[in-house]
Amino acid sequence: EPEVTQTPSHQVTQMGQEVILRCVPISNHLYFYWYRQILGQKVEFLVSFYNNEISEKSEIFDDQFSVERPDGSNFTLKIRSTKLEDSAMYFCASTLGQANSPLHFGNGTRLTVT
Amino acid sequence: AQSVTQLGSHVSVSEGALVLLRCNYSSSVPPYLFWYVQYPNQGLQLLLKYTTGATLVKGINGFEAEFKKSETSFHLTKPSAHMSDAAEYFCAVIYTGGFKTIFGAGTRLFVKA
Repeated sequence: EPEVTQTPSHQVTQMGQEVILRCVPISNHLYFYWYRQILGQKVEFLVSFYNNEISEKSEIFDDQFSVERPDGSNFTLKIRSTKLEDSAMYFCASTLGQANSPLHFGNGTRLTVT
Repeated sequence: AQSVTQLGSHVSVSEGALVLLRCNYSSSVPPYLFWYVQYPNQGLQLLLKYTTGATLVKGINGFEAEFKKSETSFHLTKPSAHMSDAAEYFCAVIYTGGFKTIFGAGTRLFVKA
């Protein structure tokens, strides 16, 4: 069964540094998402992406965040200047796009900002 | 604001006992409803979903959920818990007109031998 893959599984960075989290969504999916889960807390929506542009973003997704689909397969989340509070598990997900389509998640990237 | 509420951040049951995890949504128009499970160090995976039709939906691993419009609920049940069911369970919704999935806070299920 096709799956969403995320790399790296764990990223450690210093405060103020830029990080890029990478995802390869399922190949025939059309909508792509990033979610965040701070340790022990709920899964929070960050951004959705469709047709090469952001379709919706949350209040968390400020100017420090950006997403890109640089080629036909990768979907990246960039944090320009990381803060301690950016430490979390970041999940990429994709769907076919119908409104009732469930999300297919990757295994996540654990970002630790020191 | 549109939200989904899971009652109980932790639920503990004995092996073989009934599992009941509660979920309520906040909308007069029923959304699409989902339950996801998260095992340690993994992403979320779909257990089951309700879109239209039969209000009792069956999912993987023996779980099922019933959509009750009058109660705006979508509680998850399993007749007999197994040790391997220990995980975090998330109720989620997609409200009408949207594509964004909104998650509840999650309920961690503990299964005692």
